[in-house]
Amino acid sequence: DIQMTQSPSFVSASVGDRVTITCRASQGISSWLAWYKQEPGKAPKLLVYDASTLQSGVPSRFSGSRSGTDFTLTISSLQPEDFATYFCQEVNTYPVLGFGGGTKVEIK
Amino acid sequence: EVQLVQSGAEVKKPGESLRISCTGSGYSFTNYWITWVRQMPGKGLEWMARIDPSDSYINYNPSFEGHVTVSVDKSVTTAYLQWNTLKASDTALYYCARQAIYCSSRSCYLDYWGQGTLVTVSS
Repeated sequence: DIQMTQSPSFVSASVGDRVTITCRASQGISSWLAWYKQEPGKAPKLLVYDASTLQSGVPSRFSGSRSGTDFTLTISSLQPEDFATYFCQEVNTYPVLGFGGGTKVEIK
Repeated sequence: EVQLVQSGAEVKKPGESLRISCTGSGYSFTNYWITWVRQMPGKGLEWMARIDPSDSYINYNPSFEGHVTVSVDKSVTTAYLQWNTLKASDTALYYCARQAIYCSSRSCYLDYWGQGTLVTVSS
């Protein structure tokens, strides 16, 4: 099985800060990676797919990128509504589609 | 509007059985896998299983196979997750989500999610 190692698990940041979250795949998954945002008490929502394509309606301060088996989600200027937990997921290796461990972004 | 609506919260005792549901609407139900995802209290997301509503073909995560059963009734566009013998460690929030069966780009991902069903197992 492919392991998705997400880091950091916790980020304390202020409004306006740049935040970077990383997921590393244990083997190649091409660009078959998504990022989800989960607000407290809510279901996850698809944020980015194909490693770098923003879901419709997602603000442009979010961006995704890939370098080999390393994937990055960047929030260029953190806004109050961005405080949430973010998960990556690979969809390359069926049938089990692994998630990263999650990154909680909290207000400093 | 695409919707996945899950059944309500459940409180059960260890050893009891349970079936929770996920009803899809606003899209062609048989064109999308229904995937079940577990989230234990304060923890991350775990992919459990998925079912093809058109023919009930199922993929299980080996970590869950044998302990849960996934099924579907396409006549009522509803998928189910079932336990015959609950354990305290089954206490979690369970989500269903859809993924296109013949997918390209965005549809290969879990693009719509249910609201989640909280299952509490306690004596």
